[in-house]
Amino acid sequence: DGGITQSPKYLFRKEGQNVTLSCEQNLNHDAMYWYRQDPGQGLRLIYYSQIVNDFQKGDIAEGYSVSREKKESFPLTVTSAQKNPTAFYLCATTGGDVPEQYFGPGTRLTVT
Amino acid sequence: GQNIDQPTEMTATEGAIVQINCTYQTSGFNGLFWYQQHAGEAPTFLSYNVLDGLEEKGRFSSFLSRSKGYSYLLLKELQMKDSASYLCAVLDSNYQLIWGAGTKLIIKP
Repeated sequence: DGGITQSPKYLFRKEGQNVTLSCEQNLNHDAMYWYRQDPGQGLRLIYYSQIVNDFQKGDIAEGYSVSREKKESFPLTVTSAQKNPTAFYLCATTGGDVPEQYFGPGTRLTVT
Repeated sequence: GQNIDQPTEMTATEGAIVQINCTYQTSGFNGLFWYQQHAGEAPTFLSYNVLDGLEEKGRFSSFLSRSKGYSYLLLKELQMKDSASYLCAVLDSNYQLIWGAGTKLIIKP
């Protein structure tokens, strides 16, 4: 079964701690994306990667970091520099002949 | 700047028809997407329009007018499970998706 997995589904952290959210895909897609969604708002792009070992900042990259060492994996680290980290984080991929993005199930991060 | 507008919330009755509008102003256009998102879940793809006109897919149809910067999603024979948020997104000239805030659709029996 091809798909995108994100773990964990719910994550709780104390303020001041870095936390890494995982995103794994076995769709053989080249492009991967990280979005943040806040209640009542659209998706905002944090980082994206079109190819292994390369990634670009999105609209709200401050306080976040990523790596793309393997095609299948695109982990996102939420650092202590991110002022309001509590949100729903979504990972997505695109590839092949279809233009739409496929989403993982998301990780809901709560920082207190 | 780039902007996508959708109504915040709509209410409709089970079995009826509802039209959700989306207007956009973006730098370039390479297609418009509609996604459905149930509360607490990830968005799922509904439709993709790149040429003007109506695309029909079962109970759901999507319309695009590029000259007017306008699209709508038409849902027929509404079911309770259609209660969700509907997100409009445009692929701009850099092939980046610009997202609207979504329309929360409430279906009443």
